[in-house]
Amino acid sequence: EPEVTQTPSHQVTQMGQEVILRCVPISNHLYFYWYRQILGQKVEFLVSFYNNEISEKSEIFDDQFSVERPDGSNFTLKIRSTKLEDSAMYFCASSEGVTNEKLFFGSGTQLSVL
Amino acid sequence: GQNIDQPTEMTATEGAIVQINCTYQTSGFNGLFWYQQHAGEAPTFLSYNVLDGLEEKGRFSSFLSRSKGYSYLLLKELQMKDSASYLCAVSDSNAGNMLTFGGGTRLMVKP
Repeated sequence: EPEVTQTPSHQVTQMGQEVILRCVPISNHLYFYWYRQILGQKVEFLVSFYNNEISEKSEIFDDQFSVERPDGSNFTLKIRSTKLEDSAMYFCASSEGVTNEKLFFGSGTQLSVL
Repeated sequence: GQNIDQPTEMTATEGAIVQINCTYQTSGFNGLFWYQQHAGEAPTFLSYNVLDGLEEKGRFSSFLSRSKGYSYLLLKELQMKDSASYLCAVSDSNAGNMLTFGGGTRLMVKP
């Protein structure tokens, strides 16, 4: 079965540094998402992306965050200046459509900000 | 906004049946999903309900009542590998159909 792949699986960074989390969505999917999960807490929506632009974003997704689809396969999340509270598991997901479509999640990137 | 409630933890015995409830409040309900998440792993899709009633898929079934804002996930013939968190998530048409997740129910299956 096709899957969403994420790299790296773990990322450790210093507070204030920039990080880029990478994702390769399933090839025929058109909608891409980033979610995050702080340890022991619920999965939280960050942003959705379609047709090379952001379609929805949450309050968490402030000016420190950006997303990009630099080529036909990759989908990236950039955090410009990381804060301690950005430490979380970041999940990329994709779906064929946006309405009533199940999301396929990648295995996540565990980000630790020191 | 949305509010999704589910029990934090449940324990059940191998071979038994367990029902995990979820209640929700949302302005533009557009479907309810159940996901399974093993510790340290990604959520994986289990079921989707948009109309009232029961959807059965093997050992797992999911029920929805839109008028009551209520769903449950039923797991039959429990196996040890079913020990995981079960996440209820609601799609809201007033928010671009993004998924809002509940806090998850951690199910522990005992021998």
